[in-house]
Amino acid sequence: DSGVTQTPKHLITATGQRVTLRCSPRSGDLSVYWYQQSLDQGLQFLIQYYNGEERAKGNILERFSAQQFPDLHSELNLSSLELGDSALYFCASSVSGGWANEKLFFGSGTQLSVL
Amino acid sequence: QKEVEQDPGPLSVPEGAIVSLNCTYSNSAFQYFMWYRQYSRKGPELLMYTYSSGNKEDGRFTAQVDKSSKYISLFIRDSQPSDSATYLCAMRGLNDYKLSFGAGTTVTVRA
Repeated sequence: DSGVTQTPKHLITATGQRVTLRCSPRSGDLSVYWYQQSLDQGLQFLIQYYNGEERAKGNILERFSAQQFPDLHSELNLSSLELGDSALYFCASSVSGGWANEKLFFGSGTQLSVL
Repeated sequence: QKEVEQDPGPLSVPEGAIVSLNCTYSNSAFQYFMWYRQYSRKGPELLMYTYSSGNKEDGRFTAQVDKSSKYISLFIRDSQPSDSATYLCAMRGLNDYKLSFGAGTTVTVRA
């Protein structure tokens, strides 16, 4: 168990809908990262938050947004969902800002299916 | 062209064999190189990391980095069925927050 908690584990929804994925980082970790994993694209970095502030942005669509709250948990909001958004969404956390060989701890992911 | 290329396999080997995995990359700024292991329906977990060029050994695992060729490798000696998983390479530059991952290679070790 990595100590990173993601809910829900599975989510089935329809095109055009909006969903919220939730992540609780390991106790004491200040950074939260969101990754999308699909069969054809592999593990793609979406966004990173550090102590409540956005630190780095990757290939995150405009329909997607995220935030990190004062208690350091994070939410990833996906709106106007399309079939191609079906994927496994991972949250990871690290102690500080994500420098050098800093270790990322991954949750077990949320499997999103858009029908 | 992707920043990090990794053959997705799958790779199937008999128990006790040496597993050889590799990645190539195009960004010469990458300095930190890692290997993550991902079991089915689980998140990736860090297996090994290496800074810059060279070798690093940890038990049955050896990681190698050749920055001149932009090529990294992971070797698993005396492979066990419990090593069956997807192995992802990952790398980051000196001032990068973002970790760039390869597509992952799925390995099956047959008992």
